[in-house]
Amino acid sequence: SQTIHQWPATLVQPVGSPLSLECTVEGTSNPNLYWYRQAAGRGLQLLFYSVGIGQISSEVPQNLSASRPQDRQFILSSKKLLLSDSGFYLCAWTGTGVYEQYFGPGTRLTVT
Amino acid sequence: SQQGEEDPQALSIQEGENATMNCSYKTSINNLQWYRQNSGRGLVHLILIRSNEREKHSGRLRVTLDTSKKSSSLLITASRAADTASYFCATDDVGGSYIPTFGRGTSLIVHP
Repeated sequence: SQTIHQWPATLVQPVGSPLSLECTVEGTSNPNLYWYRQAAGRGLQLLFYSVGIGQISSEVPQNLSASRPQDRQFILSSKKLLLSDSGFYLCAWTGTGVYEQYFGPGTRLTVT
Repeated sequence: SQQGEEDPQALSIQEGENATMNCSYKTSINNLQWYRQNSGRGLVHLILIRSNEREKHSGRLRVTLDTSKKSSSLLITASRAADTASYFCATDDVGGSYIPTFGRGTSLIVHP
């Protein structure tokens, strides 16, 4: 069966520090991968998605970047965090041509 | 891409009662999905209903879709305290990608 992992679960970082969040999927190959951010009490904002290694699409201009160095690995990064980067970050995957998304447990990021 | 809007934003009921949540959208869709999110966790896919379907059931869940009114409802029958969570609808636009757009969710509290 397929599983999706995210780490760390929680993170507290000072303004101006770098960020690296990792997401990995097991039990499937060539998944479509997604990064979302969820502000408190709000819906999900799509940040990035990837349909293959090295292929990244950005949905909104921001202080963040994403990379997909391996088929089942998706990384969210920032060189210098802003207060506004605080939130709940979710990674998700889908199969090709499939609508249903499967989410990881999320990372709670607090920028102080 | 459009965003579904859930109504109500918050719902509080007693165990054993039925819970009904609604989702409205603006443009034609391929599919509509419902997801559940427990506090501080990732989203879990509940059910997908296609644009040519009017009703689907899954256990205590019943989803209806009215494309003429551009709306969907999620009914949870005989609710339990464990149903306490946020519920999101997600829509895929006709001619769009496979990436769903999520609403802001309905927060459901079921009192034991």
